[in-house]
This record gives sequence, structure tokens and C-alpha cells, in this order.
Amino acid sequence: QKEVEQNSGPLSVPEGAIASLNCTYSDRGSQSFFWYRQYSGKSPELIMFIYSNGDKEDGRFTAQLNKASQYVSLLIRDSQPSDSATYLCAVMGTGFQKLVFGTGTRLLVSP
Amino acid sequence: DAMVIQNPRYQVTQFGKPVTLSCSQTLNHNVMYWYQQKSSQAPKLLFHYYDKDFNNEADTPDNFQSRRPNTSFCFLDIRSPGLGDAAMYLCATSRDRASGRVDEQFFGPGTRLTVL
Repeated sequence: QKEVEQNSGPLSVPEGAIASLNCTYSDRGSQSFFWYRQYSGKSPELIMFIYSNGDKEDGRFTAQLNKASQYVSLLIRDSQPSDSATYLCAVMGTGFQKLVFGTGTRLLVSP
Repeated sequence: DAMVIQNPRYQVTQFGKPVTLSCSQTLNHNVMYWYQQKSSQAPKLLFHYYDKDFNNEADTPDNFQSRRPNTSFCFLDIRSPGLGDAAMYLCATSRDRASGRVDEQFFGPGTRLTVL
């Protein structure tokens, strides 16, 4: 079982719709959860982080965490073509500051 | 602006010819990381420095070495690059979790390595 799992996609949504990206993780002791956006050929860029169960909102982005289900998601409201990228879920455990990345979900937002 | 800088952005080397990639940061973060990312794959941690303490991942090949002469700079040395080492190499930094601060990692722009 992979430590961090994401559907590779592509996830296709029309402009203005809500995009929902999902991630599950295997280490029940994980403490910190991150979403990175990566455009093709570029480096990852931090979008959101969340530590506690529930929702965390930042502009058009909402991160949701459910530790009991070992599940973290990212919602993008009013999706724009510029949101088209690969979204990487990353999880940090209780040990040293090592991030474990999923392979990413490719999001395509069509005009 | 505080940032993570990587040089060069693109590096072409020949099979077996040593290459050095560099990373510098103005964030004054005490933790620095090197990742390897191949196409459509997750970034793979090669090693990290906690201050001057070097921590190698168990599956990082001996072909990969690193140096951190001071807080701001970190180098990745590939002693004998093979075709399979062609990838994007990412440097990242973070603050010490013990400080109580948020421990997200900030990435540099990456170096794309081509091995001929």
C-alpha cells in the first residue's frame, strides 16, 4: 500500500465549477497535511496546509481533513483555466520533518 | 524577497561525467532538502540537512552526495551520472519545528538534469 494515494486523473471540470481533489494516507500518526500545486516543468508551490480535523478556507481553496478516515481533500471553487496543474498531496508524520508526497492529481479546467 | 534559488536551471552532462547542482536560500531556514522528481512521479527525498547534520535516505544511491558549507548553501553532487539520473532536482527548505512555527517546505525552481 502506498503511503499517500491520489487519483492520477486527469480530473476535468468546466470553468467556474468546483474541483474536488482527494488524498488518503496510511500513517495514522500523521500530523501535518499539505497541498502543493505544480505546473508542468515547474517546482511545487504550497497552496494550503492543515493540521486539525475540519475545514480550512483560504480564498477559493478549502482544505478538509478527516484523521479518523485518514483522508484529506482540496476544494477549488470557481475553477479557472489557470488552475490547470498537478496537485500534490503531502503528509508529514510524527518523526522528523519528512514529507511524503502522493503522485499528484492532474486537474484540467476548460474555458 | 526571501527565496530559494537553484543553479543552474538546466544542466546537461555526459554519462559518467560528475555534476554539481547548487541551492541557496535567503529564508535563514535551518533545514534543507534535496528531492529528485521524474516525469509524472512524486518528488523523492534523497537527503536532508538539519543544520549541519546530514541525513541520508536509505534508498538514495551512493552516487549522490551532498555538502552544506553554511546555512545558506547546499550542493548536490552526482559522481557518475547515469541515464536513469535524468530528472528534475528540487531543493527545499523549512524552519525547525521545535520553534513551534509552521513547518511547511518551500521549494526552489528546480534544476532539470539531462544525461547524454
